Formats: sequence, structure tokens, C-alpha cells
Amino acid sequence: DVKVTQSSRYLVKRTGEKVFLECVQDMDHENMFWYRQDPGLGLRLIYFSYDVKMKEKGDIPEGYSVSREKKERFSLILESASTNQTSMYLCASSRRGLAGVREQYFGPGTRLTVT
Amino acid sequence: AQSVTQPDIHITVSEGASLELRCNYSYGATPYLFWYVQSPGQGLQLLLKYFSGDTLVQGIKGFEAEFKRSQSSFNLRKPSVHWSDAAEYFCAVVPYNQGGKLIFGQGTELSVKP
Repeated sequence: DVKVTQSSRYLVKRTGEKVFLECVQDMDHENMFWYRQDPGLGLRLIYFSYDVKMKEKGDIPEGYSVSREKKERFSLILESASTNQTSMYLCASSRRGLAGVREQYFGPGTRLTVT
Repeated sequence: AQSVTQPDIHITVSEGASLELRCNYSYGATPYLFWYVQSPGQGLQLLLKYFSGDTLVQGIKGFEAEFKRSQSSFNLRKPSVHWSDAAEYFCAVVPYNQGGKLIFGQGTELSVKP
């Protein structure tokens, strides 16, 4: 079974702190993704990566950065957390395929609260 | 604007009743289409997908969805709902030739009455 794990289920941080969210997948997937999930807005793509050391901006990258030093690990970084970044963060991975379309496998999510 | 719309934010059905969740998209070319389910406290799980071919697709957990090009719709159905189906359901599309980025609808929360 594909497994995507996220370092924390719940996280509380203060405004201005630097926050690291870690994601690890164990199926040798090429693609990895970070989404945030907010009520009424569905999931929105923050960043994605098609390969090690490669990253591309999604739809809402402002205030975030990412790092992918190893194939299995994809980190989301909030350089200076703000209250409007309070949200559920979901990591996903998929195999690279024809036209880039493959099933995405999701982690359980990290609920981040910034106070 | 290009988008994915799930018109129903919240639906309540009785256990054993049939279910239909609506999804409409607005993209010029037919995108790749997906339905995902998120159970409470869990990540998302793929229920089914449509790429081409037969417009009625079968998925896991007894779900099916029908692609209707003329209506730009991809509605999810289940003939008899079980209490364990209570969850949030997301329709998603990958627009044609846009590198595999999933675009999600707003989600529909399903409650099941005993």
C-alpha cells in the first residue's frame, strides 16, 4: 500500500515563527504536492515538485516555500507564519505518467493553528 | 473563468436511500475527471476517475459516476447509502494539457440519517 505520512497531525505556532511541515512517501513517486484545505474552498495547490530539487508554484504560493532534497521527502516552509495561514495542510504524491495524470495519494493532513 | 463547481455544500440522506452528488466543470476541452472522498480526520482517497471511453465509470465502495459532455457534468451516484459513507466528497479535474495539476471543487459534505 502507498503510504504518505506527515510529521504532525496538529500544530500550534505563534505569528512570525518559521514553520516546517514534513511529508514522506514510501512508494518512490516522482511527483509530490502540497495543498491547503479551507472550508468552502476545497483544496488549493501551494507548490508541487516533479523531481528532486525541482519545484513549481501552484495557485497560492505566497508566504510559502518548499524543499525537496530527497525523492521521498517534500517539506513545506512558512517563513514567517501569519494567522491567515491557519488551515489544514495536505501532502500528496503520485507517479509521473502520460500527460502527468496519475492518481494522487494523500497524507492524513496537518491542522496548523497560528495564534 | 475555468472552474469546478459542486453546487451542494451539504446533503443529508437516509441510510439505504440513493445518492447523487453534482459536479460541473467549465473547461474548453474535456478534462480528466476524478472523485475523491475524505472521511473525518483522514486524507483524501480516490473513488473513481474518467479519462476517456465508456461514460459510466465504476469506482470503489459501490460508487459510480457518469460523464455527460453536453452538460459538462460528472455526477457521482450510489444506489444505496450506508452510514459509513458519511464524509466529504470532492470532484476534481485535470485540465487537458496543463501538466497534471488537480483543480478541486469546493466539496460536498454528506450526512447519513439512520
